[in-house]
Amino acid sequence: ILNVEQSPQSLHVQEGDSTNFTCSFPSSNFYALHWYRWETAKSPEALFVMTLNGDEKKKGRISATLNTKEGYSYLYIKGSQPEDSATYLCAFFDAAGNKLTFGGGTRVLVKP
Amino acid sequence: EADIYQTPRYLVIGTGKKITLECSQTMGHDKMYWYQQDPGMELHLIHYSYGVNSTEKGDLSSESTVSRIRTEHFPLTLESARPSHTSQYLCASSARAVAAYEQYFGPGTRLTVT
Repeated sequence: ILNVEQSPQSLHVQEGDSTNFTCSFPSSNFYALHWYRWETAKSPEALFVMTLNGDEKKKGRISATLNTKEGYSYLYIKGSQPEDSATYLCAFFDAAGNKLTFGGGTRVLVKP
Repeated sequence: EADIYQTPRYLVIGTGKKITLECSQTMGHDKMYWYQQDPGMELHLIHYSYGVNSTEKGDLSSESTVSRIRTEHFPLTLESARPSHTSQYLCASSARAVAAYEQYFGPGTRLTVT
């Protein structure tokens, strides 16, 4: 079983503040790293799919970076809003397999 | 909006009953997956399929079984439900042609076994 870890498990952010959190994954046999956003009572939805070392993706106030050589990815939320409250999951897709291994998620709560 | 459907959305059933959770997708995706969600919201893969007539067990051992007779359909069956099977079950699909196997998730089935 591949080891994909996310930290912190949860964080509280004041509205308007920026925040970031980490996903670490195996540095070998890399194929892709996915980020999903999972709001309560909804299904997880893909935020970013990253395949290249050094890749940076951005969607509105949310962005992500990728370092495949050292096996980590950061997700950043700039100027957090209450609607950013969700669990953010990262998932590692290795070159050998046909499945994603999910991390435990970072639960973000943005307080007005 | 993803075209992947799960039924039922909620199910409360007694111990020992046989149940089938349905999952269908209309996107023509070759790969399909079943995940079980633990109370901490972590997703654990229990079954996946590369395509028709292909099924594999996932990382988390499960007493459930799956079948893939048609591309669009990936049902999960529990022959004899037990309280330990109480959980949220999420179905997903993906395809290589779609952004490095980005997963599209169904709305989930919340199963309670009494």
